[in-house]
Order: sequence, then C-alpha cells, then structure tokens
Amino acid sequence: DAGVIQSPRHEVTEMGQEVTLRCKPISGHDYLFWYRQTMMRGLELLIYFNNNVPIDDSGMPEDRFSAKMPNASFSTLKIQPSEPRDSAVYFCASSTLTGAVSPLHFGNGTRLTVT
Amino acid sequence: KNQVEQSPQSLIILEGKNCTLQCNYTVSPFSNLRWYKQDTGRGPVSLTIMTFSENTKSNGRYTATLDADTKQSSLHITASQLSDSASYICVVSDDFGNEKLTFGTGTRLTIIP
Repeated sequence: DAGVIQSPRHEVTEMGQEVTLRCKPISGHDYLFWYRQTMMRGLELLIYFNNNVPIDDSGMPEDRFSAKMPNASFSTLKIQPSEPRDSAVYFCASSTLTGAVSPLHFGNGTRLTVT
Repeated sequence: KNQVEQSPQSLIILEGKNCTLQCNYTVSPFSNLRWYKQDTGRGPVSLTIMTFSENTKSNGRYTATLDADTKQSSLHITASQLSDSASYICVVSDDFGNEKLTFGTGTRLTIIP
C-alpha cells in the first residue's frame, strides 16, 4: 500500500486566501484524522471521521476551518480566509479497528505558510 | 487534564553510542503507550505500542519499557546510527482506538559521526 497520501507537500499563500489541503487514506481504513503540528504545541487533533462521518470537530480552531470526507478515499481540510497564525504542518492520518490496539498511519504532511 | 511530558527536549550523541529517552504521563484511564519516530519533513511512524500488561517491547535496536505504576516509559536506542536522527514522540491512549490520544512534544535526537 502507498500509505496515506497528502497534497500539496508545501503551500505558500497570502493572508485572506482560501487554502485546501487534500488527503487519501489507506484503503480499508475507516478512521481519518486531521492534525496540526507546530513547534510550540506539537501535534493537535483538529477533527476525525469514522466511515466518512465527522465525529468530533472540537479541535477545529475557528469557523474558518472546515473539513469534508465525501467518500472513503478522499478528505479535504479547508481554511478560508487564511491567516499567518495558521502557518503549520498539517497531517492526515488513518487507522482501523482490529479488536486490538491499532497504530495511526500518518501522511507526510502539508507545510502551510501564510504570509 | 491528561498530559505527556518528554525529556530531554533535545539530545546530541555520537554515532554508535546508546541513549535513553524518557516519557512521563498523567493520562487516566490508561490503555496503551506508543512511541513514534518522526524524520524531518515526514510524518510520524509507529515504533512500538505497549498495553497495560506489557513492560517491554523491542523493534530492532529500539527497546521501549513501561512502568504503569509510576506512569513512566523510556525508549532505549542501542548502537545509534545516523539514520536515528529524528524526533521521538511519546503518545498515550485511554482506549484501543485513536480518538483520544495525548501527545508529548517530542525529543529531538541528533546523531553525529
């Protein structure tokens, strides 16, 4: 399997612009997570989906952030309008329940810079 | 509030030497503890997962230990290699799933030749 695939790898945009990050989870995984990583705060959970349904979005910082999962193989995280404080690395991760502890599989992230 | 603290924040050692990274947690209830390795510019990759009943688990030159009584874990790296240079993140969960993970901020390990 190719693992979790994220695009783009890098995104540089100006304040106020819309940003869309994309994720393809591992086939067969029924959980998808969006994380944000900064030096100060480490990894923070933004939102997660189970079987394409958003379950917990309490980590989404503001209404400017939204996420969708239209099907089992694709998810997006959108920021509109973007602000400089949104600059971070955004990770998508997927997993599945097996009856035992299941590891989280991360993509290689999208580094977002908002100027 | 659930917390995971790691020490040291950063560490530099010579290639071939051993090192130990520490993780203390206050997560309750406790289900399992994971160690992840994150190379620069990449996503974290799982190294080990230990449940309550396990007190040691190895993955090649990486050996993790868990003391659930004192709520401490360590990651020991034997005969370090340049490729071990990375951040190591301790993660604690209160159940089998991945919905409620508490992350440490990581230890940045640098191996020098």
